[in-house]
Amino acid sequence: EAGVAQSPRYKIIEKRQSVAFWCNPISGHATLYWYQQILGQGPKLLIQFQNNGVVDDSQLPKDRFSAERLKGVDSTLKIQPAKLEDSAVYLCASSPITGENEKLFFGSGTQLSVL
Amino acid sequence: QKEVEQNSGPLSVPEGAIASLNCTYSDRGSQSFFWYRQYSGKSPELIMFIYSNGDKEDGRFTAQLNKASQYVSLLIRDSQPSDSATYLCAVKANYGQNFVFGPGTRLSVLP
Repeated sequence: EAGVAQSPRYKIIEKRQSVAFWCNPISGHATLYWYQQILGQGPKLLIQFQNNGVVDDSQLPKDRFSAERLKGVDSTLKIQPAKLEDSAVYLCASSPITGENEKLFFGSGTQLSVL
Repeated sequence: QKEVEQNSGPLSVPEGAIASLNCTYSDRGSQSFFWYRQYSGKSPELIMFIYSNGDKEDGRFTAQLNKASQYVSLLIRDSQPSDSATYLCAVKANYGQNFVFGPGTRLSVLP
Protein backbone atom coordinates (compact mmCIF):
# COMPACT_ATOMS: atom_id res chain seq x y z
CA GLU A 1 0.00 0.00 0.00
CA ALA A 2 1.42 3.35 -1.04
CA GLY A 3 1.89 5.89 1.73
CA VAL A 4 1.03 9.57 1.91
CA ALA A 5 2.80 11.38 -0.92
CA GLN A 6 4.05 14.94 -0.56
CA SER A 7 5.95 17.30 -2.81
CA PRO A 8 8.24 19.09 -3.01
CA ARG A 9 10.58 17.63 -0.41
CA TYR A 10 12.41 20.91 0.11
CA LYS A 11 11.65 24.51 -0.79
CA ILE A 12 13.66 27.68 -0.27
CA ILE A 13 12.01 31.03 -0.91
CA GLU A 14 12.45 34.64 0.07
CA LYS A 15 10.02 36.39 2.38
CA ARG A 16 6.95 37.81 0.71
CA GLN A 17 7.09 35.16 -2.03
CA SER A 18 4.39 32.54 -2.42
CA VAL A 19 4.73 28.77 -2.17
CA ALA A 20 2.49 25.74 -2.61
CA PHE A 21 2.69 22.23 -1.23
CA TRP A 22 0.91 19.17 -2.55
CA CYS A 23 -0.32 16.06 -0.77
CA ASN A 24 -1.90 12.84 -1.97
CA PRO A 25 -3.26 10.74 0.92
CA ILE A 26 -3.37 6.97 1.18
CA SER A 27 -6.01 5.64 -1.18
CA GLY A 28 -9.40 5.51 0.47
CA HIS A 29 -8.50 7.77 3.38
CA ALA A 30 -11.30 10.29 3.77
CA THR A 31 -9.62 12.51 6.33
CA LEU A 32 -6.63 14.67 5.48
CA TYR A 33 -4.65 16.94 7.77
CA TRP A 34 -1.98 19.58 7.27
CA TYR A 35 0.40 20.13 10.17
CA GLN A 36 3.18 22.66 10.71
CA GLN A 37 6.20 21.45 12.65
CA ILE A 38 8.71 24.07 13.72
CA LEU A 39 12.15 22.76 14.66
CA GLY A 40 12.15 21.37 18.19
CA GLN A 41 8.35 21.40 18.51
CA GLY A 42 5.56 18.95 17.99
CA PRO A 43 3.29 19.15 14.93
CA LYS A 44 0.62 21.84 15.11
CA LEU A 45 -2.63 21.38 13.20
CA LEU A 46 -3.32 23.87 10.42
CA ILE A 47 -6.39 22.37 8.78
CA GLN A 48 -8.43 19.18 8.69
CA PHE A 49 -10.52 17.97 5.73
CA GLN A 50 -13.18 15.29 5.72
CA ASN A 51 -13.53 14.35 2.04
CA ASN A 52 -13.62 17.77 0.35
CA GLY A 53 -15.08 19.68 3.30
CA VAL A 54 -13.19 21.61 5.97
CA VAL A 55 -13.69 20.22 9.48
CA ASP A 56 -11.31 22.47 11.40
CA ASP A 57 -9.27 25.44 10.21
CA SER A 58 -9.29 27.38 13.46
CA GLN A 59 -5.49 27.50 13.66
CA LEU A 60 -4.88 28.35 10.01
CA PRO A 61 -3.54 31.93 9.56
CA LYS A 62 -6.10 32.74 6.95
CA ASP A 63 -4.59 36.08 6.00
CA ARG A 64 -1.72 34.22 4.34
CA PHE A 65 -2.46 30.49 4.33
CA SER A 66 -5.04 28.71 2.20
CA ALA A 67 -5.77 25.07 1.50
CA GLU A 68 -8.11 23.13 -0.72
CA ARG A 69 -9.11 19.57 -1.39
CA LEU A 70 -11.42 20.01 -4.34
CA LYS A 71 -12.19 16.42 -5.31
CA GLY A 72 -11.80 14.90 -1.87
CA VAL A 73 -8.51 13.25 -2.75
CA ASP A 74 -5.31 15.28 -3.06
CA SER A 75 -4.80 18.62 -1.40
CA THR A 76 -2.79 21.81 -1.84
CA LEU A 77 -1.58 24.14 0.90
CA LYS A 78 -0.51 27.63 -0.13
CA ILE A 79 1.30 30.43 1.67
CA GLN A 80 1.12 33.94 0.24
CA PRO A 81 3.06 36.00 1.21
CA ALA A 82 5.54 33.99 3.23
CA LYS A 83 7.14 35.29 6.41
CA LEU A 84 10.38 34.27 8.09
CA GLU A 85 8.44 32.55 10.87
CA ASP A 86 6.83 30.21 8.33
CA SER A 87 10.10 28.28 8.10
CA ALA A 88 9.09 24.80 9.20
CA VAL A 89 8.28 21.31 7.99
CA TYR A 90 4.78 21.01 6.58
CA LEU A 91 3.40 17.56 7.18
CA CYS A 92 0.40 16.03 5.52
CA ALA A 93 -1.35 13.16 7.27
CA SER A 94 -4.36 11.03 6.44
CA SER A 95 -6.66 8.70 8.27
CA PRO A 96 -9.06 6.06 7.01
CA ILE A 97 -11.71 6.87 9.57
CA THR A 98 -12.51 9.57 12.04
CA GLY A 99 -13.63 9.43 15.63
CA GLU A 100 -12.84 6.43 17.77
CA ASN A 101 -9.91 4.30 16.62
CA GLU A 102 -8.63 7.02 14.30
CA LYS A 103 -4.89 6.92 13.62
CA LEU A 104 -2.73 9.30 11.62
CA PHE A 105 -0.35 8.28 8.85
CA PHE A 106 2.16 10.96 7.86
CA GLY A 107 3.84 11.82 4.60
CA SER A 108 7.54 12.65 4.39
CA GLY A 109 6.88 16.38 4.72
CA THR A 110 8.03 19.50 2.92
CA GLN A 111 10.83 21.45 4.57
CA LEU A 112 10.32 25.16 3.91
CA SER A 113 13.04 27.73 4.46
CA VAL A 114 12.04 31.39 4.18
CA LEU A 115 15.03 33.72 3.80
CA GLN B 1 -6.10 25.50 25.57
CA LYS B 2 -5.52 21.77 25.37
CA GLU B 3 -1.93 20.97 26.19
CA VAL B 4 0.33 17.96 26.05
CA GLU B 5 3.60 18.18 27.93
CA GLN B 6 6.76 16.14 27.64
CA ASN B 7 10.31 16.55 28.90
CA SER B 8 12.31 17.71 25.91
CA GLY B 9 15.37 15.72 26.93
CA PRO B 10 17.72 14.57 25.74
CA LEU B 11 17.17 11.38 27.68
CA SER B 12 20.30 9.27 27.49
CA VAL B 13 20.28 5.57 28.34
CA PRO B 14 22.87 2.86 27.77
CA GLU B 15 22.22 0.13 25.24
CA GLY B 16 20.16 -2.68 26.75
CA ALA B 17 18.57 -0.50 29.43
CA ILE B 18 14.92 0.48 29.81
CA ALA B 19 14.01 3.92 28.48
CA SER B 20 11.02 5.58 30.15
CA LEU B 21 9.25 8.42 28.37
CA ASN B 22 6.52 10.42 30.05
CA CYS B 23 3.65 12.59 28.90
CA THR B 24 0.92 14.55 30.69
CA TYR B 25 -2.17 16.10 29.17
CA SER B 26 -4.63 18.73 30.25
CA ASP B 27 -7.89 17.69 28.57
CA ARG B 28 -9.79 15.22 30.75
CA GLY B 29 -11.96 14.42 27.74
CA SER B 30 -9.03 12.79 25.94
CA GLN B 31 -9.87 9.26 24.87
CA SER B 32 -7.07 8.09 22.60
CA PHE B 33 -3.34 8.24 23.20
CA PHE B 34 -0.53 7.70 20.76
CA TRP B 35 3.23 7.49 20.66
CA TYR B 36 5.00 8.47 17.47
CA ARG B 37 8.70 8.03 16.76
CA GLN B 38 10.41 10.66 14.63
CA TYR B 39 13.93 10.20 13.36
CA SER B 40 15.86 13.37 12.52
CA GLY B 41 14.68 14.75 9.20
CA LYS B 42 11.91 12.17 8.90
CA SER B 43 8.16 12.22 9.46
CA PRO B 44 6.46 10.82 12.59
CA GLU B 45 5.77 7.09 12.60
CA LEU B 46 3.09 5.54 14.80
CA ILE B 47 4.54 2.96 17.17
CA MET B 48 1.91 2.55 19.91
CA PHE B 49 -1.63 3.53 20.74
CA ILE B 50 -3.67 2.95 23.87
CA TYR B 51 -7.29 3.69 24.74
CA SER B 52 -7.86 2.08 28.17
CA ASN B 53 -6.23 2.49 31.55
CA GLY B 54 -3.42 0.08 32.22
CA ASP B 55 -0.59 -1.35 30.18
CA LYS B 56 -0.37 -2.36 26.56
CA GLU B 57 2.63 -4.28 25.31
CA ASP B 58 3.93 -4.67 21.76
CA GLY B 59 7.32 -6.28 21.46
CA ARG B 60 9.87 -4.17 23.30
CA PHE B 61 7.38 -1.32 23.74
CA THR B 62 4.89 -0.89 26.58
CA ALA B 63 2.45 1.99 26.77
CA GLN B 64 0.95 2.83 30.15
CA LEU B 65 -2.14 4.98 30.67
CA ASN B 66 -3.55 6.49 33.84
CA LYS B 67 -6.51 8.70 32.97
CA ALA B 68 -7.10 9.74 36.59
CA SER B 69 -3.62 11.22 36.72
CA GLN B 70 -3.78 12.36 33.08
CA TYR B 71 -0.54 10.58 32.43
CA VAL B 72 0.69 8.31 29.68
CA SER B 73 4.12 6.76 29.36
CA LEU B 74 6.16 4.65 26.97
CA LEU B 75 8.69 2.09 28.11
CA ILE B 76 11.27 0.75 25.71
CA ARG B 77 12.95 -2.41 26.95
CA ASP B 78 16.38 -3.56 25.77
CA SER B 79 17.01 -0.15 24.19
CA GLN B 80 19.02 -0.17 20.98
CA PRO B 81 21.00 2.64 19.30
CA SER B 82 18.40 2.47 16.51
CA ASP B 83 15.79 3.62 19.06
CA SER B 84 17.55 7.01 19.20
CA ALA B 85 14.92 9.45 17.97
CA THR B 86 12.38 11.97 19.17
CA TYR B 87 9.25 10.45 20.66
CA LEU B 88 6.04 12.44 20.26
CA CYS B 89 3.05 11.93 22.52
CA ALA B 90 -0.33 12.72 20.96
CA VAL B 91 -3.79 12.72 22.49
CA LYS B 92 -7.23 12.89 20.97
CA ALA B 93 -10.55 13.64 22.58
CA ASN B 94 -13.91 12.56 21.29
CA TYR B 95 -15.26 12.35 17.77
CA GLY B 96 -14.49 15.45 15.77
CA GLN B 97 -11.68 16.57 18.01
CA ASN B 98 -8.17 16.77 16.68
CA PHE B 99 -4.90 15.22 17.68
CA VAL B 100 -2.82 17.39 19.98
CA PHE B 101 0.90 16.69 20.00
CA GLY B 102 3.46 17.29 22.70
CA PRO B 103 6.86 18.83 21.91
CA GLY B 104 8.59 15.45 21.94
CA THR B 105 11.34 13.87 24.01
CA ARG B 106 14.68 13.25 22.37
CA LEU B 107 16.04 9.81 23.29
CA SER B 108 19.69 8.89 22.85
CA VAL B 109 20.70 5.25 23.32
CA LEU B 110 24.43 5.01 23.88
CA PRO B 111 26.25 1.92 22.55
